[in-house]
Amino acid sequence: EDQVTQSPEALRLQEGESSSLNCSYTVSGLRGLFWYRQDPGKGPEFLFTLYSAGEEKEKERLKATLTKKESFLHITAPKPEDSATYLCAVQGPNFNKFYFGSGTKLNVKP
Amino acid sequence: DTAVSQTPKYLVTQMGNDKSIKCEQNLGHDTMYWYKQDSKKFLKIMFSYNNKELIINETVPNRFSPKSPDKAHLNLHINSLELGDSAVYFCASNGGNEQYFGPGTRLTVT
Repeated sequence: EDQVTQSPEALRLQEGESSSLNCSYTVSGLRGLFWYRQDPGKGPEFLFTLYSAGEEKEKERLKATLTKKESFLHITAPKPEDSATYLCAVQGPNFNKFYFGSGTKLNVKP
Repeated sequence: DTAVSQTPKYLVTQMGNDKSIKCEQNLGHDTMYWYKQDSKKFLKIMFSYNNKELIINETVPNRFSPKSPDKAHLNLHINSLELGDSAVYFCASNGGNEQYFGPGTRLTVT
């Protein structure tokens, strides 16, 4: 069965302490891998789409990378405003179907 | 202007009642979704409509009935509510590969 696993479940960082979040997937025929940010009480907000192994995307302090089995969301010198839950989703052969992981809750302390 | 809006934001009701959640998107997208997010933050797809036609119907109890009067609206009606229906329900629209989510409806069944 297609599956998306994110780790760690929760991550506490000091402001400025860089780290990475992991998303591993077993979806066959990957069409795309997506990263979202979700703040408490709000809907997920789109961050990146990655389509093929080796691809990288950057936005401010965030960089997403993709291999054939997993994706990493690297956070460089995070700030407290980066605190949120980060969700990973994959799109399989069915163009309209997306599988989500359970997210990594990031807490950045000043 | 809100791209994807949902009403109500909170819904508290008793077991056995029937309730509806409404969703509207002003992005001009053809495809809309309903997702359920449980307490562990898993976002699970329930239904998807493309231009008013049902294209994805996951294993969801038939107490849940979506309706799309036009491609900008996707409503969710739930009959005979059960305790296990308590969750946050998100509407989303998809114009390409990126999904845009509404703010969610927190449903609490007592």
